[in-house]
Amino acid sequence: ETGVTQSPTHLIKTRGQQVTLRCSSQSGHNTVSWYQQALGQGPQFIFQYYREEENGRGNFPPRFSGLQFPNYSSELNVNALELDDSALYLCASSSGGVAGAYQETQYFGPGTRLLVL
Amino acid sequence: AQSVTQPDIHITVSEGASLELRCNYSYGATPYLFWYVQSPGQGLQLLLKYFSGDTLVQGIKGFEAEFKRSQSSFNLRKPSVHWSDAAEYFCAVDDDYKLSFGAGTTVTVRA
Repeated sequence: ETGVTQSPTHLIKTRGQQVTLRCSSQSGHNTVSWYQQALGQGPQFIFQYYREEENGRGNFPPRFSGLQFPNYSSELNVNALELDDSALYLCASSSGGVAGAYQETQYFGPGTRLLVL
Repeated sequence: AQSVTQPDIHITVSEGASLELRCNYSYGATPYLFWYVQSPGQGLQLLLKYFSGDTLVQGIKGFEAEFKRSQSSFNLRKPSVHWSDAAEYFCAVDDDYKLSFGAGTTVTVRA
């Protein structure tokens, strides 16, 4: 069974640029969630995708957007990068995903560390 | 919204000593609770979870946690710490479709 994978592992961008981060979910999982973890803090929920549709969103601006593909892999796109976007971006996969329903355990990938200069 | 609080930012423990990390949650009904561990530069690894039933939950790497409704707590314990347990530990609660995490507790293990 393949776990959650993310690419790239590290990325350096400059302010104003755009970035795309990728995530492959664990086999059998149809739900992907993205989290941002700033240095010294706990992860903060960005959004979740279930069967290619956004299932819920945290307190992040619209310049954070995402996609989920038919194979349940996912992308996180961030436009107009700001210095505060520097963080570890974590992807988690699970099964289920309908808002309000019981959630299966989320399994995390190793993360992508983004540095914005 | 549900939330968790981890009162201890940093704990130092001697190798071989016991460890207890505190987590308090805010939720009216029975919450779904998790403990994750994060080694430096790594993602999050699930240690254990509580959904219902037995309030003492066993996890991986010799960890256990006890759910206490009367105290709104879900504390993580390990009887004898190994140097490899040095890491950051996060308590989390299932908040509908997402996880809400505490700020984390950093554990340092001294020889």
